[in-house]
Amino acid sequence: ETGVTQSPTHLIKTRGQQVTLRCSSQSGHNTVSWYQQALGQGPQFIFQYYREEENGRGNFPPRFSGLQFPNYSSELNVNALELDDSALYLCASSLGTESYNEQFFGPGTRLTVL
Amino acid sequence: AQSVAQPEDQVNVAEGNPLTVKCTYSVSGNPYLFWYVQYPNRGLQFLLKYITGDNLVKGSYGFEAEFNKSQTSFHLKKPSALVSDSALYFCAVKRSSASKIIFGSGTRLSIRP
Repeated sequence: ETGVTQSPTHLIKTRGQQVTLRCSSQSGHNTVSWYQQALGQGPQFIFQYYREEENGRGNFPPRFSGLQFPNYSSELNVNALELDDSALYLCASSLGTESYNEQFFGPGTRLTVL
Repeated sequence: AQSVAQPEDQVNVAEGNPLTVKCTYSVSGNPYLFWYVQYPNRGLQFLLKYITGDNLVKGSYGFEAEFNKSQTSFHLKKPSALVSDSALYFCAVKRSSASKIIFGSGTRLSIRP
């Protein structure tokens, strides 16, 4: 069984640039959620994708967008980067959208915006 | 609105002693409650969850948690701490009908030999 993988591990960008982060879900999982974890804080829910459609969104502006592909892998895109976007971005996969299903997290991508 | 509070930033326990990491929640409707652990430079790992039924939930690595509806709490416990339990612990809550999961701010658990 393959776990959740994310790429890249680390990324440095400058203000105003755009970034794409990638996630491969655990084998058999069709739901992917993205989280932003700022230093010293808990993860904040960005959005969830199920069968290539957005299935819930947290309090993040539209410049945070995502995609899910037929193989259930996913991308998080952030446009017009701001300094406050510096954080660990976590991807989590689960089977289905039922709220009681636990999520399996990847190791994260650490984004630094200068 | 959903919210989770972890009132202690850090908990220090001697190896072999029991440990408790506190969590209280606020959610409308039936809550689904989770505990996750995060080791340095790693993603979160699932420990246990409460959905319904028995208020005492057993999870991975000898951890358990007790759901208390009247006190809206879901404290994480372990009878005998190990040094390897040292990590960052997150409590999380979901409404039964929602996709959004709310995490607490985390509690750093430090187990001294």
